[in-house]
Amino acid sequence: QKEVEQNSGPLSVPEGAIASLNCTYSDRGSQSFFWYRQYSGKSPELIMFIYSNGDKEDGRFTAQLNKASQYVSLLIRDSQPSDSATYLCAAVGEGGSARQLTFGSGTQLTVLP
Amino acid sequence: EAGVAQSPRYKIIEKRQSVAFWCNPISGHATLYWYQQILGQGPKLLIQFQNNGVVDDSQLPKDRFSAERLKGVDSTLKIQPAKLEDSAVYLCASSLRTGHEQYFGPGTRLTVT
Repeated sequence: QKEVEQNSGPLSVPEGAIASLNCTYSDRGSQSFFWYRQYSGKSPELIMFIYSNGDKEDGRFTAQLNKASQYVSLLIRDSQPSDSATYLCAAVGEGGSARQLTFGSGTQLTVLP
Repeated sequence: EAGVAQSPRYKIIEKRQSVAFWCNPISGHATLYWYQQILGQGPKLLIQFQNNGVVDDSQLPKDRFSAERLKGVDSTLKIQPAKLEDSAVYLCASSLRTGHEQYFGPGTRLTVT
């Protein structure tokens, strides 16, 4: 069974600091990885995706992928109180035609003013 | 570009009643997904359509849940009869193709009493 594991948190960082969110996955065949942000009472919002080993930067967000270690992370630089949300990590495998997206349970981030 | 539309946004029913949810994906997106998200957990895939065909319904409780996407565009998810444990947020998402990034609608919050 494919699993995506995240620390549930809560993770608290002061405003302006770097928030580091981590995720591991069990399916070695997984090829695509996604980070979603979910505010309380809202639906998930896609913020980053990464397919290749290494880093991918988009504004204050950097996604990091290490397929050998089956590890994905999201760094948020200059964290703002508006970044306070639950961050969901998700992975897509290569199994068959379905290529199902498997989500972790999310890490709750609080940025303290 | 319009996002994924869902209705209703909220629904309260008694156990053993039936309920239906509607979803209209982003224009041009061939793949449509229905997820169930229980509080504190990541979304769990119920069913995945590619155009009007089902490609994965392995986690759909088929004794009470059904879904269709007859013309390859909008979709309905039905629960009949509902149980208390069906209380959750039902999310619809769409993507250009299977395995690509998914975009979520606002969700329907179902409460079964």
